[in-house]
Amino acid sequence: DAKTTQPPSMDCAEGRAANLPCNHSTISGNEYVYWYRQIHSQGPQYIIHGLKNNETNEMASLIITEDRKSSTLILPHATLRDTAVYYCIVYSGGGADGLTFGKGTHLIIQP
Amino acid sequence: DAGVIQSPRHEVTEMGQEVTLRCKPISGHNSLFWYRQTMMRGLELLIYFNNNVPIDDSGMPEDRFSAKMPNASFSTLKIQPSEPRDSAVYFCASSLWGAGTDTQYFGPGTRLTVL
Repeated sequence: DAKTTQPPSMDCAEGRAANLPCNHSTISGNEYVYWYRQIHSQGPQYIIHGLKNNETNEMASLIITEDRKSSTLILPHATLRDTAVYYCIVYSGGGADGLTFGKGTHLIIQP
Repeated sequence: DAGVIQSPRHEVTEMGQEVTLRCKPISGHNSLFWYRQTMMRGLELLIYFNNNVPIDDSGMPEDRFSAKMPNASFSTLKIQPSEPRDSAVYFCASSLWGAGTDTQYFGPGTRLTVL
């Protein structure tokens, strides 16, 4: 069973902020929220991850709700090169197992 | 760092032939993962290693698939004999286990076509 739910596709205008939602209502206390993206014909690329607190890096921001049942990935100023499939994954890490990828959200940045 | 290196990038072979895919993980990483991506099934984990030891191979589809990691800097995924349904993109990823959250970094993939 999928542990995350994401919209299959989204559009965003170039230069605007892209906000990608993810529901993970069954997340466990020791599971992190990870975001990866896959640009066409490339390997998945790590974006960001978090446990409870909001996180920001040079690529994106991650907002996790207080109950941890959902999160939002924010690309602050989307460019055409951000067009990709974005995967939200819950993962406990610790070498326990591999990543379980769902279908993700196909984000299309419009010029 | 060069990142995860995979070879070949593209492989076209005929049904029944042996195929060997290669992966060099990021230096210093101690976990290595093999994934397969198809349109029908998406990205799925085949097998992963920790400190060169296979930990979970439950995702390996059949006995025709085998994977080895003879040392910390090299792994192979072999398919013998290959079948058309094995056509897919095969990704290798590595991580540093024990460093907290074990972020996995992926290679560019090998696109395999079995005719």
